[in-house]
Amino acid sequence: GAVVSQHPSWVICKSGTSVKIECRSLDFQATTMFWYRQFPKQSLMLMATSNEGSKATYEQGVEKDKFLINHASLTLSTLTVTSAHPEDSSFYICSARAPSVGELFFGEGSRLTVL
Amino acid sequence: QKEVEQNSGPLSVPEGAIASLNCTYSDRGSQSFFWYRQYSGKSPELIMFIYSNGDKEDGRFTAQLNKASQYVSLLIRDSQPSDSATYLCAVNNRRKIQGAQKLVFGQGTRLTINP
Repeated sequence: GAVVSQHPSWVICKSGTSVKIECRSLDFQATTMFWYRQFPKQSLMLMATSNEGSKATYEQGVEKDKFLINHASLTLSTLTVTSAHPEDSSFYICSARAPSVGELFFGEGSRLTVL
Repeated sequence: QKEVEQNSGPLSVPEGAIASLNCTYSDRGSQSFFWYRQYSGKSPELIMFIYSNGDKEDGRFTAQLNKASQYVSLLIRDSQPSDSATYLCAVNNRRKIQGAQKLVFGQGTRLTINP
């Protein structure tokens, strides 16, 4: 099946610093990638839709200036959490849509802990 | 009303029995439906998808879709302890974003298979 790789898997940072998470589609080109956030024992919440070569589309309530998304190529999207705070600690998961209809494959996830 | 609803569980099933997971959705125009399995601390992995009314079987898994009643279910036959996980139902929202339709997730059902 399609493979989506995410890096880093774990990151611990101090409050106020910025953290970048990379999401790569390894064996297919993804014009669209999705970024989700999952708090403990809760479901995945879509944060934004990343579009190659254009601006990301953010969900209601998600600050675009805080969660910067860049989709510079057909295989790479990055999420930067700027000026991270403890409440940003969460499991961030990216996904990419395979060239078939609607199938979505997930990266391994990145667990962010902000001290 | 939530767009996609699942019983959060936990659902306990003895090993070897059939586990039945249910999901309802509110958007009657939804087109495709997905079941994901998520182990604790890991990202979701796709188990099955279904587009048409009726049953779709894949090994020990059977997805059932009833668009008139707006529900989709997942049956796991001959349940194994390794099936213990959270199962997420996802629905393809008909609203398009840059040509890619979003998935909306339910909160997930935690399933435990007891040896």
